[in-house]
Amino acid sequence: DAGVTQSPTHLIKTRGQQVTLRCSPKSGHDTVSWYQQALGQGPQFIFQYYEEEERQRGNFPDRFSGHQFPNYSSELNVNALLLGDSALYLCASSKGGLAGINEQYFGPGTRLTVT
Amino acid sequence: AQKVTQAQTEISVVEKEDVTLDCVYETRDTTYYLFWYKQPPSGELVFLIRRNSFDEQNEISGRYSWNFQKSTSSFNFTITASQVVDSAVYFCALSGGSNYKLTFGKGTLLTVNP
Repeated sequence: DAGVTQSPTHLIKTRGQQVTLRCSPKSGHDTVSWYQQALGQGPQFIFQYYEEEERQRGNFPDRFSGHQFPNYSSELNVNALLLGDSALYLCASSKGGLAGINEQYFGPGTRLTVT
Repeated sequence: AQKVTQAQTEISVVEKEDVTLDCVYETRDTTYYLFWYKQPPSGELVFLIRRNSFDEQNEISGRYSWNFQKSTSSFNFTITASQVVDSAVYFCALSGGSNYKLTFGKGTLLTVNP
């Protein structure tokens, strides 16, 4: 049973560029949440997708956008990259939409470096 | 607003010592959930436990135990007879009953030395 997978593992981008990160949820899961974890900090909630809709959003600017596909996989897009966007981006999947109370499974993350 | 405070930034112990990681939370929700996650150097967050606000029973799982006290808004985590493999960053997290997100603390880096 495959767990949560994310791609790519590492990514280096230049300021001003755009980036797309991908996540495939654990088999049987239909809800995907994205988190940003800066170095030495706890993960910060970006947004959650369920039934192909953004259900809730954290305190992140509109430069951060996402999408969920019919197969429940998800993308995180970040436009106009800033140096401060450098972080580990974690995807978490769960079942049933109320990801906050269900057991979430986290992927290994994508390490984004903005230069 | 929800908040999770892990006052201990780093803890270093010698193998076989017991260690307690502290977690204090703030929430206005009457129904909420508390979590502990482990993050080894590989980066992946590993789920350890979830407790809801109506269940204050302490829980033990092998060398791990958790003490939930609503009166002090604390959810502390104890590792008994620590091992080198326990070295990781440990996060406490909180979600409200109607909140779809997890609010994490800043984490505690635990180093267990042989």
